[in-house]
Amino acid sequence: AQSVTQLGSHVSVSEGALVLLRCNYSSSVPPYLFWYVQYPNQGLQLLLKYTSAATLVKGINGFEAEFKKSETSFHLTKPSAHMSDAAEYFCAVSGLSPGNTPLVFGKGTRLSVIA
Amino acid sequence: ETGVTQSPTHLIKTRGQQVTLRCSSQSGHNTVSWYQQALGQGPQFIFQYYREEENGRGNFPPRFSGLQFPNYSSELNVNALELDDSALYLCASTPGLAGFSGANVLTFGAGSRLTVL
Repeated sequence: AQSVTQLGSHVSVSEGALVLLRCNYSSSVPPYLFWYVQYPNQGLQLLLKYTSAATLVKGINGFEAEFKKSETSFHLTKPSAHMSDAAEYFCAVSGLSPGNTPLVFGKGTRLSVIA
Repeated sequence: ETGVTQSPTHLIKTRGQQVTLRCSSQSGHNTVSWYQQALGQGPQFIFQYYREEENGRGNFPPRFSGLQFPNYSSELNVNALELDDSALYLCASTPGLAGFSGANVLTFGAGSRLTVL
């Protein structure tokens, strides 16, 4: 079974500071990994996805994530936080497995950006 | 192209009642998945519909049921509502089976927020 653990339910950074949101996954098959963002009162929007091509994945709004198989991690980073980045971020895993398993999400990390 | 649209956006029901939530998939997408997002939690998979049949189900009781129509739109029905059913219900669509090809990206709607009193 696949699972995702997001370390830290709430992360607070200053505007212009590095953003680091942590995600570790568990999967018995080669995983597909995703980061989604959810703004207040909205659905989920895809930031980026890893599908076994390059291990460093670039997404929208300046975010990127690095797949590290040895650490079973897929941490999300952004060099310089902007006020508009304040939102809830979800890491998710999917994979080829019997039963057609769709996305399994972590519990989310709320990012606050301080002016 | 239009995205995924859901209705209603908000609704309030009382315990024991039944509710129907509706979803129109993104143009060209033939697969619809439903997720439940409780307050402060990540979305949890309820079930997925492909070609009008349920294709994959999460750990939800049978009182959660669904339909998919020939135009790929979908309904989520919940019977005998319980207080714990209060949540944001998200619909997502994809071109092809999510999970069958794990790279398929789900496009989410804004959700229907259900409050059960």
